Amino acid sequence: KAGVTQTPRYLIKTRGQQVTLSCSPISGHRSVSWYQQTPGQGLQFLFEYFSETQRNKGNFPGRFSGRQFSNSRSEMNVSTLELGDSALYLCASSRTGTANTEAFFGQGTRLTVV
Amino acid sequence: DAKTTQPPSMDCAEGRAANLPCNHSTISGNEYVYWYRQIHSQGPQYIIHGLKNNETNEMASLIITEDRKSSTLILPHATLRDTAVYYCIVRVAGDNAGNMLTFGGGTRLMVKP
Repeated sequence: KAGVTQTPRYLIKTRGQQVTLSCSPISGHRSVSWYQQTPGQGLQFLFEYFSETQRNKGNFPGRFSGRQFSNSRSEMNVSTLELGDSALYLCASSRTGTANTEAFFGQGTRLTVV
Repeated sequence: DAKTTQPPSMDCAEGRAANLPCNHSTISGNEYVYWYRQIHSQGPQYIIHGLKNNETNEMASLIITEDRKSSTLILPHATLRDTAVYYCIVRVAGDNAGNMLTFGGGTRLMVKP
């Protein structure tokens, strides 16, 4: 069974640009959540989507947004990129997103902002 | 979510059991204990989770104390490929709690030959 797929794997963008990252969850999973990982802050929760609705949101500025499609695929968008947005962006999918169902992570997209 | 405390690093000899402790003294009755690990620059890998009973799967065993204030992840026969950062996380139950995982600093396990 295919795992969580994130595209692209690597990305280099210029400060001020915007970027869109994609996540395809495991088949049958309806919850997709996004995380940012940096050396200084560790792994931080960005937001979660379930059945096309944002269910939870972390403490990030409005430049970070996301959406989920009817096939559960999700995208996250970062506008007006800053150097500090350089990070590994991870998505995780879960069948229902409840506490007794495990979440599985993709390999991440490494974003470098120059 | 309850806060967790883990030692920042541990060593283990290859072939021996690795016992990784986690303190979650403020855990509530409806919070699950989850363990994930992350091998350098890869996505975190799910290992195991439990509520109050001990759990075992093909990767590891999870021992939760009776008062649920602490737990231990056991890798029965550690290999070099088990070298990773191990995260202990507690998750709130409930339909609206969602899939939000709060990661701490984790324990960096080094398995040595």
